Amino acid sequence: EAGVAQSPRYKIIEKRQSVAFWCNPISGHATLYWYQQILGQGPKLLIQFQNNGVVDDSQLPKDRFSAERLKGVDSTLKIQPAKLEDSAVYLCASSPRSRFRGSSYNEQFFGPGTRLTVL
Amino acid sequence: RKEVEQDPGPFNVPEGATVAFNCTYSNSASQSFFWYRQDCRKEPKLLMSVYSSGNEDGRFTAQLNRASQYISLLIRDSKLSDSATYLCAVNPNTGNQFYFGTGTSLTVIP
Repeated sequence: EAGVAQSPRYKIIEKRQSVAFWCNPISGHATLYWYQQILGQGPKLLIQFQNNGVVDDSQLPKDRFSAERLKGVDSTLKIQPAKLEDSAVYLCASSPRSRFRGSSYNEQFFGPGTRLTVL
Repeated sequence: RKEVEQDPGPFNVPEGATVAFNCTYSNSASQSFFWYRQDCRKEPKLLMSVYSSGNEDGRFTAQLNRASQYISLLIRDSKLSDSATYLCAVNPNTGNQFYFGTGTSLTVIP
């Protein structure tokens, strides 16, 4: 079974530039997550999709970050304009189903991440 | 107060040693708990789910202490290949957030 695919793997940009990341989840996985992992920290959830709808984006800096998941499959995360503090690894994860009341999470499968450096 | 807290370590232990990590969580209503392993410059991978009754998989044992609001991971007979960062993850059950700790770094020394 193919895993979660992400591209690009590495990206170096200057501050105030724009950047976009792409994620293709495991086939059939309804839930997709974008995380930001700064060096030395754990992953922080930015946004969660259930199919093509947003379930949670409470920690997404909406003045500069945006994400979409058209057709409930692939997803893109965009930063515009980038700041120095956005330097991090951006991880995409998917799981077979969302969390409904009373049920537990299934395992989240992570992609290899995109390492972003903002100069 | 952070939702999830871990001792970042590093833990340096000799091969064959037993090592344990704890992870505390702030929301007493939390329902789902996990341990992930993350190798250097790699993505996290699920190591174990943590059930109320505890969970054992070979040399690894995970336990939940609801009264004190922490989960633990015990590694017996440490191998060199166990060297990694171990992340705990908690779902507080108050929304769809899924909180990770900062990770605990383990190095197993020959």
